[in-house]
Formats: sequence, C-alpha cells, structure tokens
Amino acid sequence: QQPVQSPQAVILREGEDAVINCSSSKALYSVHWYRQKHGEAPVFLMILLKGGEQKGHEKISASFNEKKQQSSLYLTASQLSYSGTYFCGTFYGGATNKLIFGTGTLLAVQP
Amino acid sequence: GAGVSQSPSNKVTEKGKDVELRCDPISGHTALYWYRQSLGQGLEFLIYFQGNSAPDKSGLPSDRFSAERTGGSVSTLTIQRTQQEDSAVYLCASSFTGTSGGFEQYFGPGTRLTVT
Repeated sequence: QQPVQSPQAVILREGEDAVINCSSSKALYSVHWYRQKHGEAPVFLMILLKGGEQKGHEKISASFNEKKQQSSLYLTASQLSYSGTYFCGTFYGGATNKLIFGTGTLLAVQP
Repeated sequence: GAGVSQSPSNKVTEKGKDVELRCDPISGHTALYWYRQSLGQGLEFLIYFQGNSAPDKSGLPSDRFSAERTGGSVSTLTIQRTQQEDSAVYLCASSFTGTSGGFEQYFGPGTRLTVT
C-alpha cells in the first residue's frame, strides 16, 4: 500500500530541473507532497486532489494522473534551498483519514 | 501563531522502561497524527485523532504503544517496556481537519527517542 517514489536520490547543479515521481497500486483520492531538510520536520509543499484541484507552493508544480495512479513533482531552475528529502503522501479516501508516505527522494542541489 | 510543539526534544531511556511523549497541536486544529521516523527512513503512520471520534490506531506496531488526546487538544504517546527497535524520531502533526478535507499537516520538531 506504500507508494513508490523514484528516483531514490538525485544530484543537481543549481538551475537544473528535476522530476520526482510517486506511484500507487491503488486508486488515489489525493496526493500530498512534503520536503524535509536534514534534522528538521517535514514542511508542506502541495496537495493535489482528485478532480484537478491543487493547493500549495508557488514555485513548485506537480501533476496528478488519476488514471495512472501517480503524481509527479516538478522542480525547475533548482536552488540550493531545494535540497532535502521529498516525500509523497497518498490518501485513498474512505473511512480512514491517514496519509501513507512514500520512502522519500533525496535531492541534493550543488553550486 | 505558535506551531506544533513536542516535548521532550530528546529522550534517552533504558530498555524496559516506559516513556511518554507529548504533542501540543496548533490551536483550532481538530486532526492530530503521530508518525515514527527511523534513521534514514520514511514516515511511518502510527495513530490519528479527529475531534471526538474514535482514533485510528491501525498503525501502532504493538500493544506496547498507546496514545490519548485529552480535551481535543494535547496528545500523549506512551511506549511501555521500550525496546531498542523503538529508537526513532517521533513526529506529531496537526491539521485543520482530516485528510479527506484536503488540508495540509503541520509537523512538530519531533522527539528523538534513544533506547539503550
């Protein structure tokens, strides 16, 4: 039930782009994205809801393909501050309200 | 305003002892979550509280783990007879309402538990 993230890790130079993918084996109601810097708590980035509604970060975009049961996070013109571990959280709806987080993608942006 | 706070920030305990971890959510947030994060790992869901409803305990790893939320605000996670595999960072998060409402979670700084 845990979503699968890819890649597991990526190293970028400042200004380069990256895509992080999150795939589920079950139909999704929503996908949540968080970033966690080393030694800090996760911070909210974006929520993508079934039906197309999005809530979140101005400089980071994401897509949600309901049919393919996957979401992608797009980091363009990366900055040093983008470094951290990115987690997707999947919500399957129904009676439960819990998020199931993926294993994370470590992103390192170098000068 | 104040964010989610957790105490203690660090806890070292001997194997077999009981520990209590505390979480103060953001005022007005009805949903509260506990997660566990082992070194270099992802976020493992433990338990979820929503208002006065019965909590979702489906993520608790054993009956040594329990949690309560008093008055719809402060929550305490209790681990009895701690084991070395319980060593992890325990994170608390709160949100305005449950996940189905499409609201983001705000995480506290976590409690780092070390069982020796």
